[in-house]
Amino acid sequence: DTEVTQTPKHLVMGMTNKKSLKCEQHMGHRAMYWYKQKAKKPPELMFVYSYEKLSINESVPSRFSPECPNSSLLNLHLHALQPEDSALYLCASSQGPGHNTGELFFGEGSRLTVL
Amino acid sequence: AQKVTQAQTEISVVEKEDVTLDCVYETRDTTYYLFWYKQPPSGELVFLIRRNSFDEQNEISGRYSWNFQKSTSSFNFTITASQVVDSAVYFCALSEAGNYGQNFVFGPGTRLSVLP
Repeated sequence: DTEVTQTPKHLVMGMTNKKSLKCEQHMGHRAMYWYKQKAKKPPELMFVYSYEKLSINESVPSRFSPECPNSSLLNLHLHALQPEDSALYLCASSQGPGHNTGELFFGEGSRLTVL
Repeated sequence: AQKVTQAQTEISVVEKEDVTLDCVYETRDTTYYLFWYKQPPSGELVFLIRRNSFDEQNEISGRYSWNFQKSTSSFNFTITASQVVDSAVYFCALSEAGNYGQNFVFGPGTRLSVLP
């Protein structure tokens, strides 16, 4: 079983809806990530949080809004999405700064469909 | 800049055949880490192995083995006696030392289909 838990596993939303994806880890990791994966492509980095602070935003549109309430939780708030935003959204965690093996632990992903 | 290449987009084999997935990487760092991940249809990326740049020993884990050759910048993955459950997309990835994961570079992936 994965130690990174994502909910919901599937989400269908309209372009005017507001929804959120949630991610939780209990491995004591201090870095958490959101990736977007389109079909037949590798994951693409969206955001990185390090010690609960946003450290990387890969020029992601503002309709995606990340939030890290504490070191175990990571949310991705979705608003006014477009159909092309339909994808698998993967959450990951790693030990964080000072631990430079860089190994990422991934959740099962949330499959998002925007109608 | 870092780059990971997986030249094989898709591979099909019949069960019990051996199969090798190729991975070639580029980096200017002398210290770095290489990874293989498996992504079954369920979507989760499953960690398979990590190898640091100073350890060129090959590794075997059950039916899986990895061949790391710095001279050719390759980190190939072999599955012996493949099984249907091995069907998945496999990603090779690179992380440079000093990064804790924020510059994780994935290859494009190889889709492996193992037919019964």
